[in-house]
Amino acid sequence: DAMVIQNPRYQVTQFGKPVTLSCSQTLNHNVMYWYQQKSSQAPKLLFHYYDKDFNNEADTPDNFQSRRPNTSFCFLDIRSPGLGDAAMYLCATSRDAGGVETQYFGPGTRLLVL
Amino acid sequence: AQSVTQLGSHVSVSEGALVLLRCNYSSSVPPYLFWYVQYPNQGLQLLLKYTTGATLVKGINGFEAEFKKSETSFHLTKPSAHMSDAAEYFCAVVSGGSEKLVFGKGMKLTVNP
Repeated sequence: DAMVIQNPRYQVTQFGKPVTLSCSQTLNHNVMYWYQQKSSQAPKLLFHYYDKDFNNEADTPDNFQSRRPNTSFCFLDIRSPGLGDAAMYLCATSRDAGGVETQYFGPGTRLLVL
Repeated sequence: AQSVTQLGSHVSVSEGALVLLRCNYSSSVPPYLFWYVQYPNQGLQLLLKYTTGATLVKGINGFEAEFKKSETSFHLTKPSAHMSDAAEYFCAVVSGGSEKLVFGKGMKLTVNP
């Protein structure tokens, strides 16, 4: 089945220690998104790639970076995680850009910062 | 800017009862509206969406929603709740010309036997 895969499902890191979260997709979609979802809150868009074009949200902290080496993979790098970065991180894809497109979500990676 | 309001955070219904989850939106242009469901420890799954055309939209698992422009609402309903419907439900909006999906805070649905 075509899908969005996130690894690992759970990640524990130390305060200030860089961490990378991974997302891959078999849907061959052009757009990949990263969302942050804190407990009992709505998912918040951090940034997205349309093909190789990176689009950062204005309020995404500089501490968060992303890489998309090819169509299938996208990474979220947190350079110096703080306690406030503990959250569920959701990767999503869509076939194309545009509001009408459905976004397909992975299962998420839950990040714990000690 | 567009926004979504889901009043309250938790709804509890009995199995077999009507499910009604409310969603109101704010948008300066005709919106695209979505309902997503999130089961525990899983990602979000699309239930249904409204883009244009018929205002009553049918989705998966027996859910439907009606776009009411005059009320700026897109409430989600299901005639008869099932235990497997227990999950968190998110309403979301995209305004025409924007690519950004803006979510409401979500509503946790509990189904009691």
